[in-house]
Amino acid sequence: DTGVSQDPRHKITKRGQNVTFRCDPISEHNRLYWYRQTLGQGPEFLTYFQNEAQLEKSRLLSDRFSAERPKGSFSTLEIQRTEQGDSAMYLCASSLEAGPTRGDTQYFGPGTRLTVL
Amino acid sequence: GQSLEQPSEVTAVEGAIVQINCTYQTSGFYGLSWYQQHDGGAPTFLSYNALDGLEETGRFSSFLSRSDSYGYLLLQELQMKDSASYFCAYHPGANNLFFGTGTRLTVIP
Repeated sequence: DTGVSQDPRHKITKRGQNVTFRCDPISEHNRLYWYRQTLGQGPEFLTYFQNEAQLEKSRLLSDRFSAERPKGSFSTLEIQRTEQGDSAMYLCASSLEAGPTRGDTQYFGPGTRLTVL
Repeated sequence: GQSLEQPSEVTAVEGAIVQINCTYQTSGFYGLSWYQQHDGGAPTFLSYNALDGLEETGRFSSFLSRSDSYGYLLLQELQMKDSASYFCAYHPGANNLFFGTGTRLTVIP
């Protein structure tokens, strides 16, 4: 396995359209994360899955955003009724649970750059 | 609340040593990670500190003082390819990361 992959790498859409992104994590990793990054900022946490269960969602994740990881492998992030403010890089990361007292090492994919016109 | 502070920009000469500092404020803390990100690229994991002290990985070292809520990344024998953004990120829990705004390192000849 060569790492986390994301598809598509770039997406241009018109305001009001729906978009869906896919993330394939490192195969043995049971945890999967979505982040959003805008220019000059660090990645901002959106949501997190352990296997197929979505265990945490950021307040940044409005009702227009939904994420799934149906079989505990790949994940999708859908944005409905896109707005110009949604333009950003959407990053996926995966990790192998390190234990209850240690932070996971997260490995990031190349990201999907979304531009909303 | 939660916060992270690191310098926005650092410039250093090729072959030199540079230290990027990071201070944080958080109610929960499982450790501090460092990531490198080149323009247009994905964040790449560099190091992780859960306990006080220095962790060394090749030319890069990372230090943590939990009592001071402080850490740093040390880059030695700087190379031009080290020009990138460097993010410190703390783990408020075992399964999430809170990133700073990053330090843009420029290595000059």
